[in-house]
Amino acid sequence: NAGVTQTPKFRVLKTGQSMTLLCAQDMNHEYMYWYRQDPGMGLRLIHYSVGEGTTAKGEVPDGYNVSRLKKQNFLLGLESAAPSQTSVYFCASTSLEAQPQHFGDGTRLSIL
Amino acid sequence: AQSVSQHNHHVILSEAASLELGCNYSYGGTVNLFWYVQYPGQHLQLLLKYFSGDPLVKGIKGFEAEFIKSKFSFNLRKPSVQWSDTAEYFCAVNGNTGFQKLVFGTGTRLLVSP
Repeated sequence: NAGVTQTPKFRVLKTGQSMTLLCAQDMNHEYMYWYRQDPGMGLRLIHYSVGEGTTAKGEVPDGYNVSRLKKQNFLLGLESAAPSQTSVYFCASTSLEAQPQHFGDGTRLSIL
Repeated sequence: AQSVSQHNHHVILSEAASLELGCNYSYGGTVNLFWYVQYPGQHLQLLLKYFSGDPLVKGIKGFEAEFIKSKFSFNLRKPSVQWSDTAEYFCAVNGNTGFQKLVFGTGTRLLVSP
């Protein structure tokens, strides 16, 4: 059972570079989320999507963009990476009925 | 706005000791409450959840939590911890408005010494 799959698992970028993190879920979930996890701050919501073709800002959206062109995929983009974006990024999904969110394994991103 | 407070940032226990982790939330309406666990190097996994009904909720691995509405609390308990319970624990809440937007606490790191 794949569940929620994130790629890549690790990445090192230089300041100013761009990249896209991919999240894929095979549970036919409507809702998908991107979080960042930083020490002592828990998980903070970056962006989320309530369905294919829709996205919305979360708690800390600045510097990130997202797209949900297909129901199963939710992409997180960094157009110009900054050291403050060094973090562990988690994707999650849930259905309308089943409220607990299912999390991916995370992407550890370092910006030098 | 919703917020979640976890008062204990780090907890160190010996095996077989009892555990209680505090969680308080602020939200005026009906809430759904969750405890997630993150083992070292892994993703978050659901320990237990409360939607309605019996305020004492039992989860996996012997964990339980009690919802006390008057205190806006949802504390996590385990009578006897094991070394394998070493992990970070997150309390989370979402308002029962039909939209699944979780707010997480800052987490509690638990270290259980053998």
